[in-house]
Amino acid sequence: AQSVTQPDIHITVSEGASLELRCNYSYGATPYLFWYVQSPGQGLQLLLKYFSGDTLVQGIKGFEAEFKRSQSSFNLRKPSVHWSDAAEYFCAVVGSNTGNQFYFGTGTSLTVIP
Amino acid sequence: GAGVSQSPSNKVTEKGKDVELRCDPISGHTALYWYRQRLGQGLEFLIYFQGNSAPDKSGLPSDRFSAERTGESVSTLTIQRTQQEDSAVYLCASSTRGGRPETQYFGPGTRLLVL
Repeated sequence: AQSVTQPDIHITVSEGASLELRCNYSYGATPYLFWYVQSPGQGLQLLLKYFSGDTLVQGIKGFEAEFKRSQSSFNLRKPSVHWSDAAEYFCAVVGSNTGNQFYFGTGTSLTVIP
Repeated sequence: GAGVSQSPSNKVTEKGKDVELRCDPISGHTALYWYRQRLGQGLEFLIYFQGNSAPDKSGLPSDRFSAERTGESVSTLTIQRTQQEDSAVYLCASSTRGGRPETQYFGPGTRLLVL
């Protein structure tokens, strides 16, 4: 069965520092992978997605993620974090045999300190 | 254009009561999804609608949960005889076509508290 693991429940970084949020998936074939951000009081917003091709994908707000098949990972990165990046981040996977069902991780809460 | 809207934004109910949650998808989006997000947990898939096809109900946790959608418009999620464990944020999302891997656009959610 498909699943997504986000090992870090909560991360705190200083403003201006780099960020990496981890995501590991379980799926037998090439998955479709997504990162969503949920800001307080707002709905989930898509940051970026991977379907195929270039394994390094660029998203909005300066985020990027790299698909590594050998590690079953799709980690999210940002070179310099802004205070407005404080939010909950969710990784999601859709497999070719899961119909239209998205599997979401439990999320990583990001705190940014000045 | 307008995004996905959900109502009510908050709902407090007593155990055993029925509740109805509403979702208005983005106009033209044929696919609609319902998710449940319990405190501190990820999103749990509940049900998926695609056009006039039979809905995918595989995520509904019990027969107390049901959902309807009229055509490609509004959807309602009904929880009968609510229990305290039903307390959660219920999120609705819509997408075009419904074919994988379409981006889902989420509403702000309905926060349900069952006392």
